[in-house]
Amino acid sequence: DAGITQSPRHKVTETGTPVTLRCHQTENHRYMYWYRQDPGHGLRLIHYSYGVKDTDKGEVSDGYSVSRSKTEDFLLTLESATSSQTSVYFCAISETGEWETQYFGPGTRLLVL
Amino acid sequence: KNQVEQSPQSLIILEGKNCTLQCNYTVSPFSNLRWYKQDTGRGPVSLTIMTFSENTKSNGRYTATLDADTKQSSLHITASQLSDSASYICVVSVRDTGRRALTFGSGTRLQVQP
Repeated sequence: DAGITQSPRHKVTETGTPVTLRCHQTENHRYMYWYRQDPGHGLRLIHYSYGVKDTDKGEVSDGYSVSRSKTEDFLLTLESATSSQTSVYFCAISETGEWETQYFGPGTRLLVL
Repeated sequence: KNQVEQSPQSLIILEGKNCTLQCNYTVSPFSNLRWYKQDTGRGPVSLTIMTFSENTKSNGRYTATLDADTKQSSLHITASQLSDSASYICVVSVRDTGRRALTFGSGTRLQVQP
């Protein structure tokens, strides 16, 4: 998985609780992304980062926030988890831009009860 | 609205047989098209990338074709193996470097049976 780790790999939480997912890369790539993947949908971009402290929203950003304080780490936070946020979350990286080949992490399976 | 449609949604074939997966897109202006393979429980991995000027590209037993005029791509798998069982995702990128440069298809789930 191209030097990308995600933690935790699995998480069960309750509605209304905050949740933070972590993505860590060892490739020194500039761009990092958070996607969610749900049955019947393609991967959908939540947020992405184009450098330390530089982030922007994707198409499904409501209810999510991100932070990137170091090149290698990109955090995704669900401020108050809802059942609609039950999904598989993938982190991805690319070297120079969103149009380049993206390398994906192993995913985090999140269940919100 | 930029869209990527893949067909079939799922496919079952016997080991050793060939198969073809389809991808139709309405993304414009087109930049490139990628096919990703996603094994169960893992992240997608890039198989091939095709630019506007390329018609065919091979990666081992995988051959991708692109018809930019009709906005169609196909992924042909030759002599399938059990390890080919996975989801195959078509991803199209636009030429502009706007916020959403990529549009993902929902994938074709391939199952290869012995």
